[in-house]
Amino acid sequence: GQNIDQPTEMTATEGAIVQINCTYQTSGFNGLFWYQQHAGEAPTFLSYNVLDGLEEKGRFSSFLSRSKGYSYLLLKELQMKDSASYLCAVKNGNYQLIWGAGTKLIIKP
Amino acid sequence: IAGITQAPTSQILAAGRRMTLRCTQDMRHNAMYWYRQDLGLGLRLIHYSNTAGTTGKGEVPDGYSVSRANTDDFPLTLASAVPSQTSVYFCASSDSDTMEQFFGPGTRLTVL
Repeated sequence: GQNIDQPTEMTATEGAIVQINCTYQTSGFNGLFWYQQHAGEAPTFLSYNVLDGLEEKGRFSSFLSRSKGYSYLLLKELQMKDSASYLCAVKNGNYQLIWGAGTKLIIKP
Repeated sequence: IAGITQAPTSQILAAGRRMTLRCTQDMRHNAMYWYRQDLGLGLRLIHYSNTAGTTGKGEVPDGYSVSRANTDDFPLTLASAVPSQTSVYFCASSDSDTMEQFFGPGTRLTVL
């Protein structure tokens, strides 16, 4: 089967750094996406990795290791507005997007 | 219109009724998707369309049908609603199957 695993919930402090991990097992691989979803809202695109390594975009970075089936999303200088769910999704060999259940990130002052 | 719109925003529906959820995008994206999102589960693909005139089944297609008569519109129909179809439904579009997806605001559907 195909599955995406990520922690259900994480808590971090405003101003700190947090790393959200995602491991995947899919039939083929054509890229990994991270999305942010605030409560009651639609998911919005954060990052895309198709090659191994780190992609940096402002306070957010995303890392991929295809050989390990592993990615992480790194959020720096956390702000209260970063409280949201973070969704990991993988494009499999058929270009279907397989979604993880999401990690709810709680930011405390 | 800017992006993707969905209608209605929310709906309460009696079991057995027919319901169509509307989705329109103005980005001229080729691909469109319908997902349902349930608590504790990831987004699950119901149906998709890679281009106008074609549709395909996703992970959970039973009880749902779609059509793609033109590029902009991708309605989702529940022929005879059941309580297990209570969910939040998101429509999304992308320029191609390798690009990121843009999501509509969602429709919260309750079937009683």
